[in-house]
Amino acid sequence: DTEVTQTPKHLVMGMTNKKSLKCEQHMGHRAMYWYKQKAKKPPELMFVYSYEKLSINESVPSRFSPECPNSSLLNLHLHALQPEDSALYLCASSQVTSLVNNEQFFGPGTRLTVL
Amino acid sequence: DQQVKQNSPSLSVQEGRISILNCDYTNSMFDYFLWYKKYPAEGPTFLISISSIKDKNEDGRFTVFLNKSAKHLSLHIVPSQPGDSAVYFCAANFGNEKLTFGTGTRLTIIP
Repeated sequence: DTEVTQTPKHLVMGMTNKKSLKCEQHMGHRAMYWYKQKAKKPPELMFVYSYEKLSINESVPSRFSPECPNSSLLNLHLHALQPEDSALYLCASSQVTSLVNNEQFFGPGTRLTVL
Repeated sequence: DQQVKQNSPSLSVQEGRISILNCDYTNSMFDYFLWYKKYPAEGPTFLISISSIKDKNEDGRFTVFLNKSAKHLSLHIVPSQPGDSAVYFCAANFGNEKLTFGTGTRLTIIP
């Protein structure tokens, strides 16, 4: 299984809602990532989990809250988002992060619209 | 500060010809470079990579060239096929988790 899955595919939420994005991989990867991608822009790193521990937070606002319940799952909890947070949210995974050749495998993304 | 740049936002190539996508970087600490391909409404797909100790890596129709002195890499696709039409991102890191992506080049293969 060489796939990273993400649910839901699309999400529309109001600014007062609480929702969660889910990501799953079964490749035995111990690093997992959240990226945000706006139209016509490259993916921007948000968070990195290494061995289920948060290792990088790229100064992301606290209305985004990541969680890594186990080595296969990664969640992104959303609360009180703003319309400018509308974007494609991508999850990725890779082998242990100490390796130089750190190919990351991406999921299909969740298209989030904040009204 | 854009450390990885793809100066051509788009490129059109005739089917069967060679596609050459370019990427420049500014951070000399980068030691590993990757190319990703992205279709609309999908996540990026890893294509090919190269370590800074090499100057060329080949995988089927795809070849990546690295010129460290010029801080430049390129992806060659030959022969180009209609299914190659996508957005291509180059990315770089220096042996840790953080990939820095370029701005992307939209490649269109003309039948």
